[in-house]
Amino acid sequence: QLQLQESGPGLVKPSETLSLTCSVSGGSLSSRTNYWGWIRQPPGKGLEWIGTIYYSGSTYYNPSLKSRVTISVDTSKSQFSLKLSSVSATDTAVYYCARLLKDGSSDGWFDPWGQGTLVTVSS
Amino acid sequence: QSVVTQPPSVSGAPGQRVTISCTGSSSNIGAGYDVHWYQQLPGTAPKLLIYDNSNRPSGVPDRFSGSKSGTSASLAITGLQAEDEADYYCQSYDISLTAWVFGGGTKLTVL
Repeated sequence: QLQLQESGPGLVKPSETLSLTCSVSGGSLSSRTNYWGWIRQPPGKGLEWIGTIYYSGSTYYNPSLKSRVTISVDTSKSQFSLKLSSVSATDTAVYYCARLLKDGSSDGWFDPWGQGTLVTVSS
Repeated sequence: QSVVTQPPSVSGAPGQRVTISCTGSSSNIGAGYDVHWYQQLPGTAPKLLIYDNSNRPSGVPDRFSGSKSGTSASLAITGLQAEDEADYYCQSYDISLTAWVFGGGTKLTVL
């Protein structure tokens, strides 16, 4: 059964870079139909897609975050990572990693999700 | 402000039927992109509920159903149970934004 687990610092200072890693187990990072995504949820608010990566390294970013986001993949470690630069208090959120399953003509759905990790931006 | 909109809240009594709408535009749902639904119980990660408009993953009760027409989609829950109290999100793809997009979420209260 595919499982994802986020890891990284829970507290980041303003203007610094947020770095998170998602470890994938129980399945292949390199499967043809599997893309890998990051989604965040500010406290008490809705879900926001951050970006998606394919095992080949192709990336897709939310236009509103694109200038600050870098997503990378390490197939040898079954991990993919998120870096968000120049963070501010508005980047405080629970960050989730998830598989984006693209099957046939569908543009894909997110399943499963990691449990999420709260990242607080504060000095 | 999401490009796909949901009502902030809906409610219903146990046993009743409720529906949650997800309204998009010609650049997402109306362009033919599929709609997917997620259930988020309090304090937990979202869980896939419906994929490709109307398909249920294994383990999701058939009380949950989805449909899509034009620029909108709907999630219906019949035989409402207390355990259904959660936040529900729709998700699609927007060709103008070249982005996967989520609705703003709907809080379901079981009275």
